Amino acid sequence: QKEVEQDPGPLSVPEGAIVSLNCTYSNSAFQYFMWYRQYSRKGPELLMYTYSSGNKEDGRFTAQVDKSSKYISLFIRDSQPSDSATYLCAMSIAGYQKVTFGTGTKLQVIP
Amino acid sequence: EADIYQTPRYLVIGTGKKITLECSQTMGHDKMYWYQQDPGMELHLIHYSYGVNSTEKGDLSSESTVSRIRTEHFPLTLESARPSHTSQYLCASSDGDRGHTNTGELFFGEGSRLTVL
Repeated sequence: QKEVEQDPGPLSVPEGAIVSLNCTYSNSAFQYFMWYRQYSRKGPELLMYTYSSGNKEDGRFTAQVDKSSKYISLFIRDSQPSDSATYLCAMSIAGYQKVTFGTGTKLQVIP
Repeated sequence: EADIYQTPRYLVIGTGKKITLECSQTMGHDKMYWYQQDPGMELHLIHYSYGVNSTEKGDLSSESTVSRIRTEHFPLTLESARPSHTSQYLCASSDGDRGHTNTGELFFGEGSRLTVL
């Protein structure tokens, strides 16, 4: 069983839609939760990170962590064609350098 | 924008050739990493380094080797490439602990896509 499960998609939505991307994980020791965005033929770049449970908002993006359910989400409001990319969830244990990634969900926002 | 560079971006070579993928960063980061990324698969850590003269193997077994003679430089070498080595290789760096967050944001290069015929 993988430590981190993520639906690979692809997910296709119309411009302006609310997008929900999700990951589940099995290791209860994870404390830091991250979302990376990867455009085609580029390396991933950090989009958001959260520590422990709760919500974090940054512009059109909201990251949610539910440690009791071992479930994390990324919401994108008013999605734009420029949001078309692969979104990778990632998580790590505090004080331990290894970052475990999900497979990534490919998102396409149709104009 | 991250200052981490990988060359070559694309490489097609024959079986048995020796190849070196270059990775350089100008951010002064101590920690550097090599990940392997295949379509539909998660990123797998194959090598990492916490500083000069420090190298460790990652979770995914790899026939490649790395060296860290200078802080800014972390090349990956395959002595004899095989078709099974065909993949995208991503180099990353981080400055490690960041106060209370301790996540060490990873800054990635644009990747080196290797095809072995």
